[in-house]
Amino acid sequence: EAQVTQNPRYLITVTGKKLTVTCSQNMNHEYMSWYRQDPGLGLRQIYYSMNVEVTDKGDVPEGYKVSRKEKRNFPLILESPSPNQTSLYFCASSLSWQAMLGYTFGSGTRLTVV
Amino acid sequence: GENVEQHPSTLSVQEGDSAVIKCTYSDSASNYFPWYKQELGKRPQLIIDIRSNVGEKKDQRIAVTLNKTAKHFSLHITETQPEDSAVYFCAARGGVFYNQGGKLIFGQGTELSVKP
Repeated sequence: EAQVTQNPRYLITVTGKKLTVTCSQNMNHEYMSWYRQDPGLGLRQIYYSMNVEVTDKGDVPEGYKVSRKEKRNFPLILESPSPNQTSLYFCASSLSWQAMLGYTFGSGTRLTVV
Repeated sequence: GENVEQHPSTLSVQEGDSAVIKCTYSDSASNYFPWYKQELGKRPQLIIDIRSNVGEKKDQRIAVTLNKTAKHFSLHITETQPEDSAVYFCAARGGVFYNQGGKLIFGQGTELSVKP
């Protein structure tokens, strides 16, 4: 089944403790992206990747890191999480940056930083 | 940069009525406009999309219209049913050049409630 898999689904952590949210897709998509969803603000892009080893900042990149060493994986790293990073996170993928196609979203990761 | 405004933020209709959600975008170069439905606790899912060379697209009870001159597009749901209750997001493909990444810019979302 074609899908985007995110893990974990839920995570509670403490301020400053490094964490990684994994994202993997099995559709051979070139384009992958991370969004955070907050009430009243919609979905805001954190980072995106147009292909392996090509990543760039989105609209709200502060406090986050990403890497794209393989086509299928695009982990989101929070080196020193803070409470303002409490949010619902979605990984998404698309065939390519040029393609006029929608994103396929992962199931989401609800992160709470205390 | 590209901005997408979505209205209303909440919408309540009676079952069987129509619902209309409107979005405006700022980047005249935008060329792709998808709509997503997000049910409670679930991921956003693509329900319909339209490209800039098309003015209207319909799929059963849902339709999308695009006015490029005015830079706005709308989602129309007819004969609404309780299972249409969800949050709906519009989006615009804000970057058409390589250094803009072709990303989707999302509206703030509309919470649609269909009352039986």
